[in-house]
Amino acid sequence: DAGITQSPRHKVTETGTPVTLRCHQTENHRYMYWYRQDPGHGLRLIHYSYGVKDTDKGEVSDGYSVSRSKTEDFLLTLESATSSQTSVYFCAISESWGGETQYFGPGTRLLVL
Amino acid sequence: QQQVKQSPQSLIVQKGGISIINCAYENTAFDYFPWYQQFPGKGPALLIAIRPDVSEKKEGRFTISFNKSAKQFSLHIMDSQPGDSATYFCAASITLGNKLIFGAGTRLAVHP
Repeated sequence: DAGITQSPRHKVTETGTPVTLRCHQTENHRYMYWYRQDPGHGLRLIHYSYGVKDTDKGEVSDGYSVSRSKTEDFLLTLESATSSQTSVYFCAISESWGGETQYFGPGTRLLVL
Repeated sequence: QQQVKQSPQSLIVQKGGISIINCAYENTAFDYFPWYQQFPGKGPALLIAIRPDVSEKKEGRFTISFNKSAKQFSLHIMDSQPGDSATYFCAASITLGNKLIFGAGTRLAVHP
């Protein structure tokens, strides 16, 4: 998975609790992305980062926040988890913006009860 | 609004047959069209990609056909093998400053 790790790989949590997912890369790529994957929707971009401390919203950003304090780490936080946020979350990285190859991590399966 | 529509949702093909997955897009500003392959429990991985200045791109058994006027592109897998069984996603983006928009995915099963 191109030097990308995600943690945790599986998590079960309760509605209303905060959850933080971590993406760590060893490729020194500038761009990092968080997607969620749901049946019938493919992958949808939540947030992305174009550098340390530089982030922006994707198409499904409500209820999520991100932070990037180091090139290698990109954190996704569910501020108050809801059942609709039950999903598989993928981190991706790329050397250049958007249109070029994105390399995906192994995913985190999140269940919100 | 779904900007990239993918069909079919699922596909069963016999070993040695041709698998065809279709995608249609709406935004004429899209200029990069990749296909990603995903095996169960794994993240998607880039399979092949095309830009609209060519009508076809082939890499081994995988071919993208692109029809700019119809705003459609398709993935053809020749001589399909059981190892090709996976979920395939088409996507599109505007290279300079936009994000990948994915189709909903096609689950391909190649039966021996």
